[in-house]
Amino acid sequence: GQSLEQPSEVTAVEGAIVQMNCTYQTSGFYGLSWYQQHDGGAPTFLSYNALDGLEETGRFSSFLSRSDSYGYLLLQELQMKDSASYFCAVRGPGKLIFGQGTELSVKP
Amino acid sequence: DARVTQTPRHKVTEMGQEVTMRCQPILGHNTVFWYRQTMMQGLELLAYFRNRAPLDDSGMPKDRFSAEMPDATLATLKIQPSEPRDSAVYFCASGLGSHRFDSGNTIYFGEGSWLTVV
Repeated sequence: GQSLEQPSEVTAVEGAIVQMNCTYQTSGFYGLSWYQQHDGGAPTFLSYNALDGLEETGRFSSFLSRSDSYGYLLLQELQMKDSASYFCAVRGPGKLIFGQGTELSVKP
Repeated sequence: DARVTQTPRHKVTEMGQEVTMRCQPILGHNTVFWYRQTMMQGLELLAYFRNRAPLDDSGMPKDRFSAEMPDATLATLKIQPSEPRDSAVYFCASGLGSHRFDSGNTIYFGEGSWLTVV
């Protein structure tokens, strides 16, 4: 089976940097994805790591260590609009399984 | 602007009634997922289809739930009879996948169907 663990909530201030972690257990691992979901909205894709290392897209970076079954999402220059839930998701054979999500609150 | 379309957006129904949710995937996408989201369970995968064939519905309560793809432009999720514990947001998502589903890397979610069973 597959399981993912994420901290339930994180609080940070505007302009700061925040890191949200994800550990996973799975068979048939293909990669780790990150999705953002605002209250009442649909999850939207942020990034994907299939190989070890850091992927950067603007203010967002995602890291994966396959040997440690661990990844994180890094948000820089936090803005109020970044307040949302962030889900890591494991890509397995044909499936995408989501963690419980980390709720990020950005304070002024 | 390609997007996944779900209907209804909101549904309130009485326990015991049949509920049917519909999804139009993005044109050209060959993989369709149904997820259910609740506060307690998060995003749960209920079922998914590749090229209209059901590949995995192990996350779905078989006694009352059924999922089908009558054609490439329509996926349905049916609950009969509905129960209060089925109250949740049901998301449909679509993507491009191979037998390993490692191409594209992205799935696109619809806005969800908010179901309340009273």
